Amino acid sequence: QKEVEQDPGPLSVPEGAIVSLNCTYSNSAFQYFMWYRQYSRKGPELLMYTYSSGNKEDGRFTAQVDKSSKYISLFIRDSQPSDSATYLCAMSLIQGAQKLVFGQGTRLTINP
Amino acid sequence: KAGVTQTPRYLIKTRGQQVTLSCSPISGHRSVSWYQQTPGQGLQFLFEYFSETQRNKGNFPGRFSGRQFSNSRSEMNVSTLELGDSALYLCASSFSGSTGELFFGEGSRLTVL
Repeated sequence: QKEVEQDPGPLSVPEGAIVSLNCTYSNSAFQYFMWYRQYSRKGPELLMYTYSSGNKEDGRFTAQVDKSSKYISLFIRDSQPSDSATYLCAMSLIQGAQKLVFGQGTRLTINP
Repeated sequence: KAGVTQTPRYLIKTRGQQVTLSCSPISGHRSVSWYQQTPGQGLQFLFEYFSETQRNKGNFPGRFSGRQFSNSRSEMNVSTLELGDSALYLCASSFSGSTGELFFGEGSRLTVL
């Protein structure tokens, strides 16, 4: 069993829909949680960075962490075709760690 | 400000050969890490360097090695290539002491025939 599980999709939704992406993990020692977005033929770029449990909002993006359930989510409101990409969750044990444990990534397509 | 630069972008090798990949981090970043990305396993941590010292290593065989130079540029080497080494190799850099955002390059896509 992988340390971080993420449904690889693909996920296809119409423009304007609310998108929910999720990851579960098994290591309760993870403290820092991230979402990266990766466009085709590009490297991942950081979208959201959260510490411990709670919610964080940034524009149309909301990240949620539930450490008691070992479950994290990313919500995208008013989805746009430009949001079409692969979304990767990532976790680390310590702040500033270069060693991240990634989920498989979910390929998302927003249809105009 | 220039991003993380990786060379070469694409390369094809045959089994048994070796390969060296290069990474130039963002100016001022002293931490460099390497990841392997495959469709089956996703992104997996290879190793991390800071000030020319390897600080952390992932669960990969000894055929995978790396180093960092005094200007923070890094190289990774894979010897005795196997078909399963075909992957996108990503380099990331970060500013030490930051909250940990990794800035990734576009990767070097290695195909082993």
